Amino acid sequence: IVLTQSPGTLSLFPGDRATLSCRASQRLSGNYLAWYQQKAGQAPRLLMYGVSGRATGIPDRFSGSGSGTDFTLTISRLEPEDAAVYYCHQYSRSPPWTFGQGTKVEIK
Amino acid sequence: EVQLLESGGGLVQPGGSLRLSCAASGFIFSSYAITWVRQAPGKGLEWVSTITGSDSVTYYADSVKGRFTISRDSSKNTVFLHMYSLRAEDTALYYCAKGAGGSFSYHTDVWGTGTTVAVSS
Repeated sequence: IVLTQSPGTLSLFPGDRATLSCRASQRLSGNYLAWYQQKAGQAPRLLMYGVSGRATGIPDRFSGSGSGTDFTLTISRLEPEDAAVYYCHQYSRSPPWTFGQGTKVEIK
Repeated sequence: EVQLLESGGGLVQPGGSLRLSCAASGFIFSSYAITWVRQAPGKGLEWVSTITGSDSVTYYADSVKGRFTISRDSSKNTVFLHMYSLRAEDTALYYCAKGAGGSFSYHTDVWGTGTTVAVSS
């Protein structure tokens, strides 16, 4: 399953709403879709799992939605510390697992 | 606190071998799957391999199948990634990550900081 993320880069101001898209090449059976945040020089951090489940410690300005082949990560009010690359990831019951190519979020 | 610490990376010639280790702490090791994910310089994330919890079923990406072997040692709370016939395209930062459950279909919830593998003559 190929995951295609858009846009490649998002440049927004603090307080703006960010909408990141992830499209799968085929329907995901089950909600096996996660989002990770990777800041420069750091390991990825889990944000969302099962499409809309928020990981421990993740603020509620992060939310996930979607089904089938189209999924969205929304950051409702951007903070400066949200500058990072965001990856969607499908972890279906059958290999291979795949990641999207990433969306870079820049804070102006 | 859940922690994963990778080690064993380094510089190796094409065709060479390397063994990566992922030392785990802070959770019941045998109950959770462990996954390796790699990231080539300046690139995105690529799933490499997963080993499930108590039954140690293994899964591999096509790009490493037949060249890499994943295993786990519950006495040492450690997962190993044995890498053989290394190629330049295996050059990457290798992360290990804990699954949220014991089987294959759980997302990874905690990641280590990674160990670097460079394949070059």
